[in-house]
Amino acid sequence: GAVVSQHPSWVICKSGTSVKIECRSLDFQATTMFWYRQFPKQSLMLMATSNEGSKATYEQGVEKDKFLINHASLTLSTLTVTSAHPEDSSFYICSAPRTGAYGYTFGSGTRLTVV
Amino acid sequence: GENVEQHPSTLSVQEGDSAVIKCTYSDSASNYFPWYKQELGKRPQLIIDIRSNVGEKKDQRIAVTLNKTAKHFSLHITETQPEDSAVYFCAATNNNNNDMRFGAGTRLTVKP
Repeated sequence: GAVVSQHPSWVICKSGTSVKIECRSLDFQATTMFWYRQFPKQSLMLMATSNEGSKATYEQGVEKDKFLINHASLTLSTLTVTSAHPEDSSFYICSAPRTGAYGYTFGSGTRLTVV
Repeated sequence: GENVEQHPSTLSVQEGDSAVIKCTYSDSASNYFPWYKQELGKRPQLIIDIRSNVGEKKDQRIAVTLNKTAKHFSLHITETQPEDSAVYFCAATNNNNNDMRFGAGTRLTVKP
């Protein structure tokens, strides 16, 4: 149980375009979703926290107008990278706390390459 | 907010030896400390976790210890095998639907 499905697993896009990443909780309701970014050989850095039905909370230094987060339902949170640039190329991964249990469930990650 | 520090950043051991990775945390409210193993390009996989009401937990070759007073916790891998080679991350959270902060990671290499 407690599966988070993340799509796409990889995407290549041109500079200036937008890319949407989806995370769906398949067998539980995710009222909260955490979005992380991981550059090569680095740790997972929290970008923002999305809460169903309210505005996302962004970490310091993360541009909320560039990384749009929507958490419109209890099973879906999306991250849209707008006007992507090569420096946005990274591994993006979502995570949700498991309901009624300790621990967090991760999506499978999305490798974004901006060319 | 929580700040997690992890050492060493790289660790190389001979097959069969033990490996120890250490982490410290700053927020005394943190009460859940998971350890993740991440292979290249994949999601982190939970390998073991510990809650603040216990000091040690063991699962076959893997053990984790927690010192709440000193705010540090450690991962111990015994009888290492080449397939243990990966990046390991510690993390800390109060698990109250609050965010989880990760250590910087340790790249473990087990030489056959």
